[in-house]
Amino acid sequence: DARVTQTPRHKVTEMGQEVTMRCQPILGHNTVFWYRQTMMQGLELLAYFRNRAPLDDSGMPKDRFSAEMPDATLATLKIQPSEPRDSAVYFCASGLLPFEQYFGPGTRLTVT
Amino acid sequence: AQTVTQSQPEMSVQEAETVTLSCTYDTSESDYYLFWYKQPPSRQMILVIRQEAYKQQNATENRFSVNFQKAAKSFSLKISDSQLGDAAMYFCAYRAAYSGAGSYQLTFGKGTKLSVIP
Repeated sequence: DARVTQTPRHKVTEMGQEVTMRCQPILGHNTVFWYRQTMMQGLELLAYFRNRAPLDDSGMPKDRFSAEMPDATLATLKIQPSEPRDSAVYFCASGLLPFEQYFGPGTRLTVT
Repeated sequence: AQTVTQSQPEMSVQEAETVTLSCTYDTSESDYYLFWYKQPPSRQMILVIRQEAYKQQNATENRFSVNFQKAAKSFSLKISDSQLGDAAMYFCAYRAAYSGAGSYQLTFGKGTKLSVIP
């Protein structure tokens, strides 16, 4: 049963610290998405990769967020420095165009 | 830009009864996909059903079916024979059909919280 995996599942950190979230997409999928879910904003896109190339990161605060896909089995989302307003659930999703996206279990981030 | 609106923040249904969740969207595209995702307390986003805009026939998956009204830009989800396990947040989502930078992202509604009463 192929699934998207994300680590860590939970992260509590202090303001100013670096946070790295990892995602392993489903083998063979050619698109990877990072979404953020908050009570106020709902689900919003942060970044999007197709065949490992970043195509859209307009939803990401560029000064502190970065997303990379060093190889086909790993996508990373990094926040440096983290701020309390970054507290949210971060989802990774992967898909094989043009079909639907499958979501990982999410990383719940709390920045104090 | 595409927008998705779910006008019912919360709904409840008696076990074994039928409930319909509403969703409207706005787009200038003629071809696109619409989805319903379920998010139980575990936070996992689970795909419930998919509808291609070029198909007139409404999608059905077991107890879940949609009423897709393209002209009205309406996409409602009907859950028949509701079960306790159906209790969750339900998100309606839109995705464009054609390639282009950023066009494959999902645009979500704010969600509807469904409670199932035993």
